[in-house]
Amino acid sequence: DIQMTQSPSSVSASVGDRVTITCRASEAIRSWLAWFQQKPGKAPNLLIYATSSLQSGVPSRFSGSGAGTDFTLTISSLQPEDFATYYCQQTDIFPWTFGQGTKVEIK
Amino acid sequence: EVQLVESGGGLVQPGRSLTLSCTTSGFTFGAYAMSWVRQAPGKGLEWVGFIRNKAYGGTTEYAASVKGRFIISRDDSKSIAYLQMNSLKTDDTAVYYCIRDSYDYSSFYYYMDVWGKGTTVTVSS
Repeated sequence: DIQMTQSPSSVSASVGDRVTITCRASEAIRSWLAWFQQKPGKAPNLLIYATSSLQSGVPSRFSGSGAGTDFTLTISSLQPEDFATYYCQQTDIFPWTFGQGTKVEIK
Repeated sequence: EVQLVESGGGLVQPGRSLTLSCTTSGFTFGAYAMSWVRQAPGKGLEWVGFIRNKAYGGTTEYAASVKGRFIISRDDSKSIAYLQMNSLKTDDTAVYYCIRDSYDYSSFYYYMDVWGKGTTVTVSS
């Protein structure tokens, strides 16, 4: 199985900060990497698919990049509603796998 | 509006069975693959399994942790996906989410674009 490892596990940041979350796959995958945001008690919400495609309705401050084994989610200017947990997921090879999550907390 | 509503969760004893339903609306259900993902209390997301649409054989894929115990099926006439869970263990306690999988026909990949709100399954004696 492909293991997805996110770093950091948590990050403290202030409104307006640039935040970068990294996701590393245990082996090279194609660009079928997605990012989800989850707020407490809610279902996850798709932000980015195919590494860098922004899901409809998602603010442009979210962006994704990467290739091979290393992928990144960037929030260019953190907003109050962005404090949440973020997960990466690969859908290249079954079983599909998620990263362990990165919690973005208020500094 | 696209909607997915899970139902059928509850308290069940270890070793017993439970079937979850995912009732959908607002899109052509038969054109989409569907997935199930679970989240144990205080933990991260775990992919459970997937069913292709009939045009791609309606075949299924499962996580190793549930393979041989869980069965995913679909009824396109009712726009409902099912997750039949057998031989339940305490480790299966989680919120179970139903997800619509969109397919990129140019690059041949799936991505989970719409999630239900989830239903809670508690396995305990």
